[in-house]
Amino acid sequence: NAGVTQTPKFQVLKTGQSMTLQCAQDMNHEYMSWYRQDPGMGLRLIHYSVGAGITDQGEVPNGYNVSRSTTEDFPLRLLSAAPSQTSVYFCASRSGEYRDQPQHFGDGTRLSIL
Amino acid sequence: AQKITQTQPGMFVQEKEAVTLDCTYDTSDPSYGLFWYKQPSSGEMIFLIYQGSYDQQNATEGRYSLNFQKARKSANLVISASQLGDSAMYFCAMREKSRSGNTGKLIFGQGTTLQVKP
Repeated sequence: NAGVTQTPKFQVLKTGQSMTLQCAQDMNHEYMSWYRQDPGMGLRLIHYSVGAGITDQGEVPNGYNVSRSTTEDFPLRLLSAAPSQTSVYFCASRSGEYRDQPQHFGDGTRLSIL
Repeated sequence: AQKITQTQPGMFVQEKEAVTLDCTYDTSDPSYGLFWYKQPSSGEMIFLIYQGSYDQQNATEGRYSLNFQKARKSANLVISASQLGDSAMYFCAMREKSRSGNTGKLIFGQGTTLQVKP
């Protein structure tokens, strides 16, 4: 009963480095999304996907790439990390059957860019 | 543009008392959904309760209830009989209106930190 699994839980990068945040869900959910949470702010949507092969931008997509080759996985890529990307990142998924199904969140990845 | 506003950065409540966390929203979409999530200090996001714009009754889930006042565009969370474990940050969120109509994207308020005193 894993739900939404995010790896790693913590990561420190240097400016300019690249990395991929992993997200996997075992609930056969069609809809997956990535959010970032900054101090004093709510979660903001980075990218989302409504199914395998389909992705779209959210509110703050710049500096991030995503792909969705399978239903289960939705990785988030930082191509050239910047200090402004220091944040806590959450992956979420929900069933696509009904748009008001609650989203299930992973435990988050704390990312620091030096 | 759609917006969620939580005006209480921090709240205190005595254990076993009830507390109301405020949430107001702005949307031109006649069909929308409102959610409340809890984020304890450990960091995970926990779904608490949902209210649909066409629901006739206020939503309830155990000790959580939603005071939904559509005309005032408010969806306040009421926690009855507060417990120490209720100490957390609480987020109000709304399903965003989209062109395709079915993405279910959420927009979040800034959150309210609740501290329960023994």
